Amino acid sequence: GAGVSQSPSNKVTEKGKDVELRCDPISGHTALYWYRQSLGQGLEFLIYFQGNSAPDKSGLPSDRFSAERTGGSVSTLTIQRTQQEDSAVYLCASSTGLAGGGTQYFGPGTRLLVL
Amino acid sequence: AQSVSQHNHHVILSEAASLELGCNYSYGGTVNLFWYVQYPGQHLQLLLKYFSGDPLVKGIKGFEAEFIKSKFSFNLRKPSVQWSDTAEYFCAVIPSGGSNYKLTFGKGTLLTVNP
Repeated sequence: GAGVSQSPSNKVTEKGKDVELRCDPISGHTALYWYRQSLGQGLEFLIYFQGNSAPDKSGLPSDRFSAERTGGSVSTLTIQRTQQEDSAVYLCASSTGLAGGGTQYFGPGTRLLVL
Repeated sequence: AQSVSQHNHHVILSEAASLELGCNYSYGGTVNLFWYVQYPGQHLQLLLKYFSGDPLVKGIKGFEAEFIKSKFSFNLRKPSVQWSDTAEYFCAVIPSGGSNYKLTFGKGTLLTVNP
């Protein structure tokens, strides 16, 4: 079946611009996660959505970062006023939502470069 | 909070050599453990996972891992590597049960297999 899809695959932007990254989870998965993969920092958790519950935003690095999930499916991660340190690969994952036991399946990521 | 340590940053082997990648975690309770692999230019894929039961788990492509609770370890092994195993390997942990859902990753180990 179809896996997690993300778009765009690559994004180059100028410092100060806003960007939107999209994630389409596996059909039927109620849980959706955003992670960031950057050199020197490894993979970091950003935000978690589960069904209609309030998202866990505890991993977002600043208030320039926000995310939403419409209709319990597609999610958009928005970075406002991008900075060079935002350059990274942004990964989306989804799972069945079983706490602790739901295996997370990852998308191909969006590689963001802020000039 | 939990943490994961992968001892080897870069491992270089020749084809047919045996592989063992170390992974240790820090957490006071029970955990679910994962190894993910990222082949060059590809996205993170699940290699194998441990939730409970037999501490020796087998994954795809001939990989296996052994959970040793007393050592807080989950080392990845393969008896004979191939050139196609060249990739980055990530160990990850998540507390089992409850409302836990944040995967905590190690920094990754880059494996280079020379033909």
